[in-house]
Amino acid sequence: DAGVTQSPTHLIKTRGQQVTLRCSPKSGHDTVSWYQQALGQGPQFIFQYYEEEERQRGNFPDRFSGHQFPNYSSELNVNALLLGDSALYLCASSWPSRGEDGYTFGSGTRLTVV
Amino acid sequence: EDQVTQSPEALRLQEGESSSLNCSYTVSGLRGLFWYRQDPGKGPEFLFTLYSAGEEKEKERLKATLTKKESFLHITAPKPEDSATYLCAVINFGNEKLTFGTGTRLTIIP
Repeated sequence: DAGVTQSPTHLIKTRGQQVTLRCSPKSGHDTVSWYQQALGQGPQFIFQYYEEEERQRGNFPDRFSGHQFPNYSSELNVNALLLGDSALYLCASSWPSRGEDGYTFGSGTRLTVV
Repeated sequence: EDQVTQSPEALRLQEGESSSLNCSYTVSGLRGLFWYRQDPGKGPEFLFTLYSAGEEKEKERLKATLTKKESFLHITAPKPEDSATYLCAVINFGNEKLTFGTGTRLTIIP
């Protein structure tokens, strides 16, 4: 049973560029959340998608946007990259019943902005 | 605003030396408290969910407990492979986000 799959695993971008990160949720999960984790910090909530709509958003600027597709996969887009956007970006999937293992994380995409 | 504070920031133990990690939380209405393990450069790996004060859960050398203000992750006779960062997170009713602490970096010395 495949868990949460994220791509790419590593990415280097130049300041001002745009980036798209991808996530395929765990089989049976229909809700996708995105988190940003800076070095030495806990993950910070960016937003959550359910039924192709943004259900909740954290304290991130509009440069961060997302999308969920009919097959429940999701994309995170970041425009006008800043050096401070360098971090590990994590995708977590879950299901409405929020059972015991309701929040499953992928291995993340390491984004470096230079 | 939900808040999670973990202590200590780092902990070094000899193999077999038992100890506890602390997670203090402030949340408007606790829906669940989660413990995750995270290895360097990897995503968090789910360990436990606790829902109400007094609840306890065990998995191998780990045991998690919950009170109304804090949770403890007890590690008994740890092995070097237990070395990792342990993250605590909470979620409240009417909310969809996990609020994480900054983690405890645990090192087990052979």
